[in-house]
Amino acid sequence: SQELEQSPQSLIVQEGKNLTINCTSSKTLYGLYWYKQKYGEGLIFLMMLQKGGEEKSHEKITAKLDEKKQQSSLHITASQPSHAGIYLCGAAYLNTGNQFYFGTGTSLTVIP
Amino acid sequence: DAMVIQNPRYQVTQFGKPVTLSCSQTLNHNVMYWYQQKSSQAPKLLFHYYDKDFNNEADTPDNFQSRRPNTSFCFLDIRSPGLGDTAMYLCATSRDAGMNTEAFFGQGTRLTVV
Repeated sequence: SQELEQSPQSLIVQEGKNLTINCTSSKTLYGLYWYKQKYGEGLIFLMMLQKGGEEKSHEKITAKLDEKKQQSSLHITASQPSHAGIYLCGAAYLNTGNQFYFGTGTSLTVIP
Repeated sequence: DAMVIQNPRYQVTQFGKPVTLSCSQTLNHNVMYWYQQKSSQAPKLLFHYYDKDFNNEADTPDNFQSRRPNTSFCFLDIRSPGLGDTAMYLCATSRDAGMNTEAFFGQGTRLTVV
């Protein structure tokens, strides 16, 4: 079963537009991670959220975790072509050993 | 400097011919993971090591094996690759197990079975 669901599956935006990607967990999260993957490459860590209501920003990317710790959003302001790629949320849960689950991914295309 | 290094970056192998993928880390992390990522899909955990303890996922085919001779290195062996094993294979490490532990990923090995 898929523990993490992402939406949308793909996104095409004009350069300069804002966008949001969502990640929903079927269980309470104990750590939520956002990664970016360029085609054919490994995953690049963006941000980690741990506390309910937490919000972190890095350059034009902001990630939030809801109070119930079951939903996270990634918001990109004034998107640029360099933001293009696949965004994956990842999570760890209590009592699942060393499992690290990934969301289904969101493919982002930014049109210049 | 790269902290999780995978070799090779690209590998082409023949159907049924054994292949080994390599992963090394300079982080001295306890946990090492192998993921399989097929086109347009999320990475799927195959197995992981916590130190020397091997943990296999229930649905990982027997065709996939792993070795961790020391803390720094971990290998993925595919004994008889099938066409369906064409995928990106990602190695990751984390300092400790499970929750609240960031995983660091290598660049991946793109395996093509012909």
